Amino acid sequence: SQQGEEDPQALSIQEGENATMNCSYKTSINNLQWYRQNSGRGLVHLILIRSNEREKHSGRLRVTLDTSKKSSSLLITASRAADTASYFCATDAQGAQKLVFGQGTRLTINP
Amino acid sequence: GAGVSQTPSNKVTEKGKYVELRCDPISGHTALYWYRQSLGQGPEFLIYFQGTGAADDSGLPNDRFFAVRPEGSVSTLKIQRTERGDSAVYLCASSRDRNTGELFFGEGSRLTVL
Repeated sequence: SQQGEEDPQALSIQEGENATMNCSYKTSINNLQWYRQNSGRGLVHLILIRSNEREKHSGRLRVTLDTSKKSSSLLITASRAADTASYFCATDAQGAQKLVFGQGTRLTINP
Repeated sequence: GAGVSQTPSNKVTEKGKYVELRCDPISGHTALYWYRQSLGQGPEFLIYFQGTGAADDSGLPNDRFFAVRPEGSVSTLKIQRTERGDSAVYLCASSRDRNTGELFFGEGSRLTVL
């Protein structure tokens, strides 16, 4: 079963706007990761945030983690048409070997 | 190789047939994962290898699915008596070790069972 749940399922915005996606999970985690998937392709790792971190930046990406609420958000600033893709959060549950993915947010950036 | 390689990229088979999907991970990566992804869904965990052994096979849906990694590098996912419900993209990923975190994914093998 999926551990992470992304919200919204789909998001459509204009180029240049910021895009925010949220992820909620159920159990205690070691870390949380965000991945991107272009249509018909494999997943590409974007960023990893550990359970003792609250915020992390990478270029135009900003990730926050609130372990008390078991939630994370991914912010993409100044979006570009090339950011159009599906975005997935994945959690590494404590005591588990596997990385569990959510259902994803399908992001469309309109030129 | 430079990245994770999966073959075949596409496989069409008939119900009841046997299928093998191959994954060649990044050289030196000890951890290898298989996931299954249906259209519009997130990747669903199947099995995780650390070296040659299956450290977690809790995601394999039933005993028709089996995976091996005999030399700790290339892995093969085997599906017996395929069913139409097995149709999906099968993704393989590798990482340097269990604790590295970041997974490197292949492009996937799209399986269609007619």
